[in-house]
Amino acid sequence: NAGVMQNPRHLVRRRGQEARLRCSPMKGHSHVYWYRQLPEEGLKFMVYLQKENIIDESGMPKERFSAEFPKEGPSILRIQQVVRGDSAAYFCASSPIGMRDTQYFGPGTRLTVL
Amino acid sequence: GDSVTQMEGPVTLSEEAFLTINCTYTATGYPSLFWYVQYPGEGLQLLLKATKADDKGSNKGFEATYRKETTSFHLEKGSVQVSDSAVYFCAPGGQGGFKTIFGAGTRLFVKA
Repeated sequence: NAGVMQNPRHLVRRRGQEARLRCSPMKGHSHVYWYRQLPEEGLKFMVYLQKENIIDESGMPKERFSAEFPKEGPSILRIQQVVRGDSAAYFCASSPIGMRDTQYFGPGTRLTVL
Repeated sequence: GDSVTQMEGPVTLSEEAFLTINCTYTATGYPSLFWYVQYPGEGLQLLLKATKADDKGSNKGFEATYRKETTSFHLEKGSVQVSDSAVYFCAPGGQGGFKTIFGAGTRLFVKA
C-alpha cells in the first residue's frame, strides 16, 4: 500500500513565477491536508480538503495561494507570483474517513525561491 | 489558542541511554495526542498516538502516556540507538480534530 506521494520533491522557482505542488493521498483516504514548514520550525496548518471541497482554509495566506482536490487526480497547492518568503517545505497529509486527527504525511516538497 | 511546548534541543545521548522528551500542551477539550518523527530530509512519520486520558501509546520501544491532569505527553525510550537520531514532534490534534498543532520539535543526536 503506497503512502502519501508528493511531487516534485524539490522545486526551484524565480521570484514572480508560479509553483504547483502535487499530492496523491493514500489509497482509500479522502481527506487531504497541507502544511508548511519553515526552517527550524514546526509545521503550520494551511488547508483541509475533501474531494471537490475546501473544508477549512484558515491557515492559507489570503493572496497568491490556492488549493484544490478535484474528483480525479491529485490535490494541487498553487502559489502564484512566488516571493523569497515562500521558500519552505510543504507537506501533504491524508487521513481515512472518520479519522481526521490521524494523519499520514508525505515526504514533502522543498520549494526554493531564488 | 491551542499550543504545544516541547523541551528545547538538541538533545545528545550515548547509545543505550534513557530518553525523555517533555511535552505539555494547551487545548480546548481533550484532543488525541501524537508523536511524530522526522528523519533528515524526509517527511513526518507517525510514531505513536493516544486518544484519551491514561492511554499509553507505544511503538518501536518508544512510549508516551496521556496525562490529562498535567496536560502532558512525555516521550520515553529505555535504550536509544544511533538510528533514533531525528527530530521529534509532539502534536495535539487541534481545533476540529484536524488542525494538528506542531511545535518546533526536539532534535535528538545519538552517539555510538
